[in-house]
Amino acid sequence: DVKVTQSSRYLVKRTGEKVFLECVQDMDHENMFWYRQDPGLGLRLIYFSYDVKMKEKGDIPEGYSVSREKKERFSLILESASTNQTSMYLCASSFGAPGTRDTEAFFGQGTRLTVV
Amino acid sequence: RKEVEQDPGPFNVPEGATVAFNCTYSNSASQSFFWYRQDCRKEPKLLMSVYSSGNEDGRFTAQLNRASQYISLLIRDSKLSDSATYLCVVNIGEYGNKLVFGAGTILRVKS
Repeated sequence: DVKVTQSSRYLVKRTGEKVFLECVQDMDHENMFWYRQDPGLGLRLIYFSYDVKMKEKGDIPEGYSVSREKKERFSLILESASTNQTSMYLCASSFGAPGTRDTEAFFGQGTRLTVV
Repeated sequence: RKEVEQDPGPFNVPEGATVAFNCTYSNSASQSFFWYRQDCRKEPKLLMSVYSSGNEDGRFTAQLNRASQYISLLIRDSKLSDSATYLCVVNIGEYGNKLVFGAGTILRVKS
């Protein structure tokens, strides 16, 4: 079974702190994603990566950065956490080159981040 | 305009009912399409891919209309266990697989 593991289920951080959310997948997937999910807004793509050291902005990258130094690990960084970044963060990975039809994304269980 | 838009729901239906969800997408270069299911407090999981010719998996039928940029999901003979949020997903990646999710439609099946 594919496994996507997020380092924490729950986090509480203070405004202004630098926050690292880690995600590891064990299936050698090329693609990895970070989403945040908020009530009524669904999953919104923050960043995704299609290869080591390659990254592309999603729809809401402001206030976030990412790092992909190794294929299996994709980190989301909040440089200076703010209260509006309180959310559920979901990491996902998928196999497949561009245009691959059946690119099922496998998700981690999520990190609920609260910024106080 | 959002890249992927869905019926807001919630849909409240009795067991045995047939229910249909719709989804529209804005990027005509979208490459592939999916429906995901998300249970309460769980992560999303793939329900089915959506092909141009339409495809069926048991009680579930998915349709794609590229000309209208429209995707649908039909659930027949609804079960209590079908209660969940259904997410329409579009792959608009050029260099990789950029998966964009709709906000989801809540389905509640009641006995």
